[in-house]
Amino acid sequence: GAGVSQSPRYKVAKRGQDVALRCDPISGHVSLFWYQQALGQGPEFLTYFQNEAQLDKSGLPSDRFFAERPEGSVSTLKIQRTQQEDSAVYLCASSPALHQPQHFGDGTRLSIL
Amino acid sequence: ILNVEQSPQSLHVQEGDSTNFTCSFPSSNFYALHWYRWETAKSPEALFVMTLNGDEKKKGRISATLNTKEGYSYLYIKGSQPEDSATYLCAFLVTGTASKLTFGTGTRLQVTL
Repeated sequence: GAGVSQSPRYKVAKRGQDVALRCDPISGHVSLFWYQQALGQGPEFLTYFQNEAQLDKSGLPSDRFFAERPEGSVSTLKIQRTQQEDSAVYLCASSPALHQPQHFGDGTRLSIL
Repeated sequence: ILNVEQSPQSLHVQEGDSTNFTCSFPSSNFYALHWYRWETAKSPEALFVMTLNGDEKKKGRISATLNTKEGYSYLYIKGSQPEDSATYLCAFLVTGTASKLTFGTGTRLQVTL
């Protein structure tokens, strides 16, 4: 497809389980971003990739959160030992270059029971 | 902590009304301001990226202005239509953290017939 694709759209997991969220950016987009959006809040920055290099991971809330983009295209956000406070919508965005408008996916809604 | 504030939080107008809302951000170390529209069940869509003080941008019936000295941007919608119903998010970048967009909580606009 032409846009940013995220999967799954919805994920329910039990507290303590590990989850993996996938993002397929627009082909050729160098920059890739992950955001976390809690209910009633704006998206909050988690991490940024330029190609395969993770240049900024200052927004990751704990060492349970890990992101990778090994070949500079598809990215995976992994959350280990999930907690209830991890429940949120996780948005992925890509752009052709760092300061260009970002193109967002539909997000993954994660619910931790 | 860098805060961006949007007001009002929500707005309900009738078809044909013109409306505007505000995004306030810290004026120091400003780099760029982004506006996004986020319709329910869709992904956020980029409207504008603004960088220069005094910038005015227009896209159809929607326009935006930027004042970096006092730290605010206005988004205007002329002759609102039901399809304009969405949450409008602003986000800004500061120099030195060029990858990290900081989002506001959005203004939720509802346009009724």
